[in-house]
Amino acid sequence: DIQMTQSPSTLSASVGDRVTITCRASETVDRWLAWYQQKPGKAPKLLIYTVSNLQTGVSSRFSGSGSGTEFTLTINSLQPDDFGIYYCQQYFTSPYTFGQGTRLEI
Amino acid sequence: QVQLVQSGAGVKEPGASVKVSCKPSGYNFIDYYIHWVRQVPGQGLEWMGWINPKTGNTKYAQKFQGRVTMTRDTSISTASLELSALTFGDTAIYHCARSTWNFHYFDFWGQGTLVTVSS
Repeated sequence: DIQMTQSPSTLSASVGDRVTITCRASETVDRWLAWYQQKPGKAPKLLIYTVSNLQTGVSSRFSGSGSGTEFTLTINSLQPDDFGIYYCQQYFTSPYTFGQGTRLEI
Repeated sequence: QVQLVQSGAGVKEPGASVKVSCKPSGYNFIDYYIHWVRQVPGQGLEWMGWINPKTGNTKYAQKFQGRVTMTRDTSISTASLELSALTFGDTAIYHCARSTWNFHYFDFWGQGTLVTVSS
């Protein structure tokens, strides 16, 4: 199985900051990488797919980059509502696997 | 608007089976795959498998092979997950989620159903 490792595990930031979360795959996932945001008691919400494509309705403050085994999610101008846990997911090959999550505290 | 509404589950004893249902709306049921993803409380996300509602074809994660069955009923546009031989480690929130047939990221999710395995 492809292992997805995120860093950092926890991130504390302030409103207005720019933050970056990294996701590393144990082998190449080409560009088949998605990012989700999850808030307490809620289902994950798709933010970005295929590395850098913004899901409809998601703020342009979110952006993604990378390819192969290393990927980043960047959030510009952090807002209070951006708190939550962020997960990357590879869908290059099954079993589709997720990173362990990055908790973003505002 | 697209919604996936889940039902079922609750508290089960070890060794029992559980069935969770997922009823999508707002799109044509057979046009998108349904996946099941579980989350142990306070932990990460684990993909369990998918079903193609058009054909009934399934693909399961190796970890759950032999214990999981995913089905669909096109007459009521509902997909279901059944997990047997439950252990305490199966206590989790089970989500259904939608993907296209060719790109398996999940654009819409069910609200999640808590399954508690307890004696």
